[in-house]
Amino acid sequence: SAVISQKPSRDICQRGTSLTIQCQVDSQVTMMFWYRQQPGQSLTLIATANQGSEATYESGFVIDKFPISRPNLTFSTLTVSNMSPEDSSIYLCSVERPNEQFFGPGTRLTVL
Amino acid sequence: QQQVKQSPQSLIVQKGGISIINCAYENTAFDYFPWYQQFPGKGPALLIAIRPDVSEKKEGRFTISFNKSAKQFSLHIMDSQPGDSATYFCAASKLSGSRLTFGEGTQLTVNP
Repeated sequence: SAVISQKPSRDICQRGTSLTIQCQVDSQVTMMFWYRQQPGQSLTLIATANQGSEATYESGFVIDKFPISRPNLTFSTLTVSNMSPEDSSIYLCSVERPNEQFFGPGTRLTVL
Repeated sequence: QQQVKQSPQSLIVQKGGISIINCAYENTAFDYFPWYQQFPGKGPALLIAIRPDVSEKKEGRFTISFNKSAKQFSLHIMDSQPGDSATYFCAASKLSGSRLTFGEGTQLTVNP
């Protein structure tokens, strides 16, 4: 398995501000993923982050809104920029292990 | 992203009963089918997964049945317990550990 931590666990933010979410893994991983889970909904992939290269974004998500950093093989950040109430969601990072994908506990974001 | 359709949206089962959740997929290139369990305020946890080279996989009270020709797979929870009450997501990907496409989720309630 993989031990994944995220910071912050939750936050309440004002419209127009930005929040950076951190994801730390207990061992080196090649691929990290960022998902969004809107209230009562399923998980939607935002982007895939590989160390040493630009993140790959899914349709409907853009780098200006969700910039991602991947400075090393155990850490990644996702920034939610210029937030609006529609960004209120749980943001989850996940990592790849052979034959399995594990998720962090998530960051619950509320935008007022 | 290719769709994965999940049903039912919600399910209520008596303690000791069998819970059955179904998923159907479209993309025949999918070759990894995991099920995740999510409790409120937590990230999804991998429950059990199957590859298309087998028709069934059992781990304890949890069984995945896979029908490749019908492009369907299902989760069976035997002897359901109140502690199984959670949201269950099926998912699919082209390679294990690759980007996952999730079903809509099933909220399971097991009554004592």
